[in-house]
Amino acid sequence: SYVLTQPPSLSVAPGKTARITCGGNNIGGKSVHWYQQKPGQAPVLVVYEDSDRPSGIPERFSGSNSGNTATLTISRVEAGDEADYYCQVWDIITDHVFGTGTKVTVL
Amino acid sequence: EVQLVESGGGLVKPGGSLRLSCAASGSTFSNAWMNWVRQAPGKGLEWVGRIKSKTDGGTTDYAAPVKGRFTISRDDSKNTLYVQMNSLKTGDTAVYYCTTSKWLRGSFDYWGQGTLVTVSS
Repeated sequence: SYVLTQPPSLSVAPGKTARITCGGNNIGGKSVHWYQQKPGQAPVLVVYEDSDRPSGIPERFSGSNSGNTATLTISRVEAGDEADYYCQVWDIITDHVFGTGTKVTVL
Repeated sequence: EVQLVESGGGLVKPGGSLRLSCAASGSTFSNAWMNWVRQAPGKGLEWVGRIKSKTDGGTTDYAAPVKGRFTISRDDSKNTLYVQMNSLKTGDTAVYYCTTSKWLRGSFDYWGQGTLVTVSS
């Protein structure tokens, strides 16, 4: 089955840049989506199809995807960005797969 | 924008059954592919299954852990999605979310607030 690996946690100071990685075999050949989930809330789509942003998502959120790693970048991090972040792809064998999740802490 | 509201969660004994519903607002429900995604307490997200729009065949697909036990259906006249869960196991304990998507490789665009299912004796 297809597996997506994320770092369990990441700490970043306000105003700095957070880069959250999502590793998978030849993930560069797939379409990657990213979700933000705050405690007690449902996930929210923040980046789709590698690098597009839904309406209402700040430009501070951006994505890239190449080789075996996809990356969600949060620029000028704010306290409100503290959340769990999940990557997700569709695989022809496994169907929809979510990454293991990364907890982002704003210092 | 689509709004989704799940209901039907609760406490059920192992081996029991439960049916969850997801009521959708907006006129685009019939064109949407609908999915169930679950999250066990303190754990990550897990895709459960999907039903395509009737215009795309209305077929269903399931994740391996629930195949043969869960059945997803939809009533487009009521803008409602369902999942019938049978032979429940303690490992099915989770918050269940309904979500929309546009196509197979597409993202999960809209999410409900979730409903908690607890399987315990």
